[in-house]
Amino acid sequence: AQKVTQAQTEISVVEKEDVTLDCVYETRDTTYYLFWYKQPPSGELVFLIRRNSFDEQNEISGRYSWNFQKSTSSFNFTITASQVVDSAVYFCALRHILTGGGNKLTFGTGTQLKVEL
Amino acid sequence: DTGVSQDPRHKITKRGQNVTFRCDPISEHNRLYWYRQTLGQGPEFLTYFQNEAQLEKSRLLSDRFSAERPKGSFSTLEIQRTEQGDSAMYLCASSAGGSRVSNEQFFGPGTRLTVL
Repeated sequence: AQKVTQAQTEISVVEKEDVTLDCVYETRDTTYYLFWYKQPPSGELVFLIRRNSFDEQNEISGRYSWNFQKSTSSFNFTITASQVVDSAVYFCALRHILTGGGNKLTFGTGTQLKVEL
Repeated sequence: DTGVSQDPRHKITKRGQNVTFRCDPISEHNRLYWYRQTLGQGPEFLTYFQNEAQLEKSRLLSDRFSAERPKGSFSTLEIQRTEQGDSAMYLCASSAGGSRVSNEQFFGPGTRLTVL
């Protein structure tokens, strides 16, 4: 069974602070993909980053970086120098391949990030 | 705009009524997904189409729910005899097919259903 846990329900930071969102996952798949999505108040889910299970190299993309550790089944996401526009709910998701090659995303419960001036 | 579109954006209905939502995927995407998101939760997978074929259905999809994608383009999700527990955001997503390993799902803005 697939499971994604985001233990942080809500985080509040002051603008320009760095913030890390935690994600722990469970899967029996030998290869898989992990994602982070952002959901602003408008409601639309916005794809942020993707990481495959066979590449543990951590990367930085602009103000976003992620730390994937297969040994602890964690996929944490960091926003550097946070901005008010970063305020949103952030979801970690795990992909499972379906019949016909499609894929199903299993989401965590989300972390509400509030960035204040 | 070439993203995923959904219609309507909001729907208020009375318990027992039928409702139908529409999703138009990104034009070159042959895979289409429906998810449901209740307040304070992440989206939950409902069903998946590849072209016009419905290949996977979640146990969450009771017999009151039916989804179609008749010509492999737009899709409809119908809920019959709505219940208050059906109140949620219904999200549609689409992705490319083939052997591309990424195949990110791109989400629409959702249809928020309120059952009174």
